[in-house]
Amino acid sequence: GEDVEQSLFLSVREGDSSVINCTYTDSSSTYLYWYKQEPGAGLQLLTYIFSNMDMKQDQRLTVLLNKKDKHLSLRIADTQTGDSAIYFCAETFAGGGGADGLTFGKGTHLIIQP
Amino acid sequence: GAVVSQHPSRVICKSGTSVKIECRSLDFQATTMFWYRQFPKQSLMLMATSNEGSKATYEQGVEKDKFLINHASLTLSTLTVTSAHPEDSSFYICSARNRVRNTGELFFGEGSRLTVL
Repeated sequence: GEDVEQSLFLSVREGDSSVINCTYTDSSSTYLYWYKQEPGAGLQLLTYIFSNMDMKQDQRLTVLLNKKDKHLSLRIADTQTGDSAIYFCAETFAGGGGADGLTFGKGTHLIIQP
Repeated sequence: GAVVSQHPSRVICKSGTSVKIECRSLDFQATTMFWYRQFPKQSLMLMATSNEGSKATYEQGVEKDKFLINHASLTLSTLTVTSAHPEDSSFYICSARNRVRNTGELFFGEGSRLTVL
């Protein structure tokens, strides 16, 4: 079955760049997503990338996709305390009755050191 | 941007009772909504896919008689946890896809925290 793996924790200093990594197994993924979840809240879509792209940049966020290695990363430049959250990597899969559900990684807790 | 609203955000109930959670897309129509469950310190688990006007499709291992899903309109899906037990305590999140502007983006509700005593 589909599997998405992430490191559970990442600690960075305020002002540094954060790089959150994700690996996936489904080679037929069409979209790959990064979601942010703040404590007690739902999910906020940060960005997504089509599987035929290598890179996508959106302000402080840079997404890199290595389709050959099935590796996705999210880089947050100039990390701020407000970036402290859990970041989920997700991919679409053709399952769940045919609709495009998502397979999520376990999430990476981003911890900001002052 | 598109907004998905869940209600209630928190609910506490006694064991054996049923609880209904609503998921509404406020400014767009959603033919498909998804229900997820999140256990503490774990990732989201897709429970079922809710399609407007038809029966929900449940993921393997999810009891359809336990978790009743109704998608009666293009803006509302409900999840009813029947005869709730303490092990059903969890964070339930819904998401919806805009049927008109299908960019691949899923819009998520804020989640509903269920505590069963």
